[in-house]
Amino acid sequence: GQQVMQIPQYQHVQEGEDFTTYCNSSTTLSNIQWYKQRPGGHPVFLIQLVKSGEVKKQKRLTFQFGEAKKNSSLHITATQTTDVGTYFCAGIDFGNEKLTFGTGTRLTIIP
Amino acid sequence: NAGVTQTPKFRILKIGQSMTLQCTQDMNHNYMYWYRQDPGMGLKLIYYSVGAGITDKGEVPNGYNVSRSTTEDFPLRLELAAPSQTSVYFCASSYSTVSYEQYFGPGTRLTVT
Repeated sequence: GQQVMQIPQYQHVQEGEDFTTYCNSSTTLSNIQWYKQRPGGHPVFLIQLVKSGEVKKQKRLTFQFGEAKKNSSLHITATQTTDVGTYFCAGIDFGNEKLTFGTGTRLTIIP
Repeated sequence: NAGVTQTPKFRILKIGQSMTLQCTQDMNHNYMYWYRQDPGMGLKLIYYSVGAGITDKGEVPNGYNVSRSTTEDFPLRLELAAPSQTSVYFCASSYSTVSYEQYFGPGTRLTVT
């Protein structure tokens, strides 16, 4: 079955540093979604990417979808304490329209 | 709008007991989902529903049952609870297919001892 892996599993950064998490799928995706989960909270939708090579920005967050639609990345510029949480990608399999969540990257910020 | 609500917030069960986790959404969404999240892990789909009267298995359905008699409600039933079912359970809904963003409830933290 489809597998969606994320690296790194954990990331500790100094406040103000940049952060990137990578998402890789074992199958070609039709869409990819990104969610953020604050500690003790529930996942909250951030964005969806649909097109090959698509790049979208939300303030300090930049999302990319790979040309082959098998990978994606989330980059945060100049992290702030409010960025703390776990970031999940969720890929929609091109063949069977199933949504599979990635393993997540947990971001902690050192003030 | 309250969005997606779940009850209870916390529950401790003894092995072999049964319980129902409640989930309600007020956004008139057709699709609803149940996930479990084990500590430090991602989300695993248990069951989903594409509309009232229609349910289907997800990745990890064993030990669980669901029903969808109305658009708003999607309860999850645990029969004969086992320690392996200790987890946080999230209910979610989306307007239509999985290509639409999912709205999650606050979760139910379940411990089976």
